[in-house]
Order: sequence, then C-alpha cells, then structure tokens
Amino acid sequence: QITLRESGPTLVKPTQTLTLTCSFSGFALNGHGVGVGWIRQPPGKALEWLALIYWDDAKRYRPSLKTRLTITKDTSKNHVVLKMTNMAPVDTATYYCAHFVPETVTGYYVGDLWGQGTLVTVSS
Amino acid sequence: EIVLTQSPGTLYLSPGERATLSCRASQIFSSNYLAWYQQKPGQAPRLLIYGASTRAPDIPDRFSGRGSGTDFTLTISRLEPEDFAVYYCHHYGGPLPYSFGQGTRLQIK
Repeated sequence: QITLRESGPTLVKPTQTLTLTCSFSGFALNGHGVGVGWIRQPPGKALEWLALIYWDDAKRYRPSLKTRLTITKDTSKNHVVLKMTNMAPVDTATYYCAHFVPETVTGYYVGDLWGQGTLVTVSS
Repeated sequence: EIVLTQSPGTLYLSPGERATLSCRASQIFSSNYLAWYQQKPGQAPRLLIYGASTRAPDIPDRFSGRGSGTDFTLTISRLEPEDFAVYYCHHYGGPLPYSFGQGTRLQIK
C-alpha cells in the first residue's frame, strides 16, 4: 500500500525559506518508472503544479518559480524534500506531495496517489 | 503555458441526474495527457481519469472521459450523493508548467 505524508512548518515568515518533507512508503524512488511531485493549493483556490523528481534524479520545475524551488530525494530514507526560498504571503497554501507513475495510454507521468497535504501560512 | 478553462464554474444537479463537465485547452495536445481529479472538502485530490478516457483503478464506471486535441469532457452518468465535489482537469505532458483548470463545483440542487 502506497502512502505519502507531508511535514514541515505551519508558519513561515516573509523572506524565509520553506523546507517541506514528503515521507513515503510502499514504493522505492530508485525504481524505474516512479516519481514524486509537489502541488499546492491556496485557500479556496485551484491547484498549482510545482515540481517533480523522477527515479533517475531528473527534475522538472514550474518555470515561474524555478529560481526559488529545489527538489531533492533521499532514497535511503524514502524522503523527497522541497525547498522554496523567499517566501511571501501569496505562497500561503496547502502543499501536497504525490506519487507519479507513467500511465498506460501516453507514457507520461501522472499523479495517482496524494498525501493529505500540509497547510503553510506565510505571515510576519 | 497551456491554460485549461473549465466550464461551468458551478453545476447544480440532483442525485440520479447526468453531469457533463468541460475542459478546454489553449493549445492542441499532441497526446492525450489529460487527467480528471475529484476533490472533496478537506481532502486531497483523487485521480479519476487519465489519458483523457481511462478510468483509474477502483473508479466506478459511472465516470467516463472523452476528448482529444483541445476539448475534453468528464461525464458522470448517474450522480450519487458522494459525487458532489470539485472536479479539476489537469495536463501532465507537453510544455511546462503542467497546469490545472480552475475547477468545476458540482453542487446538489
């Protein structure tokens, strides 16, 4: 059974760096054809894709946030870490991590299982 | 950047009725990398459909997707009380960023 759980601070001050950890079980991120990604959702708003790291350490970032985001994996701990620098109030959101697999129709990676999310508030 | 526009914003229907949700892309998809998610209050999104028309595991067959190019549709053939939620379309291939639509809220009439 695949599970994912996000952890990190609930409150961050403007200009600080946010560090979020996705702890997962039920799969290995060094196995072919797996990825872990991050998506966020401001309160009452739509979802926003942020970043994705693949089993082979390839990474994809939202272009508009690329200079602020870093995604890394620790396969020995079954963790994926997302860092976002220079946080601002507009970054207040629930942050989700998700398990990605290449789907059978197109071969592109789709997020099939998500963690419950963690709410991060940016305020002084 | 591909912009996904969902319509309607809110759909008011009764249990037992048929729901049709639309998602239009600002660029033609070279492949059907379009998914649909369901989200209930306080919960994470749940994958319903991928590849525009393939149901994810354990998704009831009252959910169906179709479309290609720029126009995609999610249909719920006969609404159950648990289907009232927000639905998002999402493209996960093609140019970055992979984006989501703004959502369609399905509410009980």
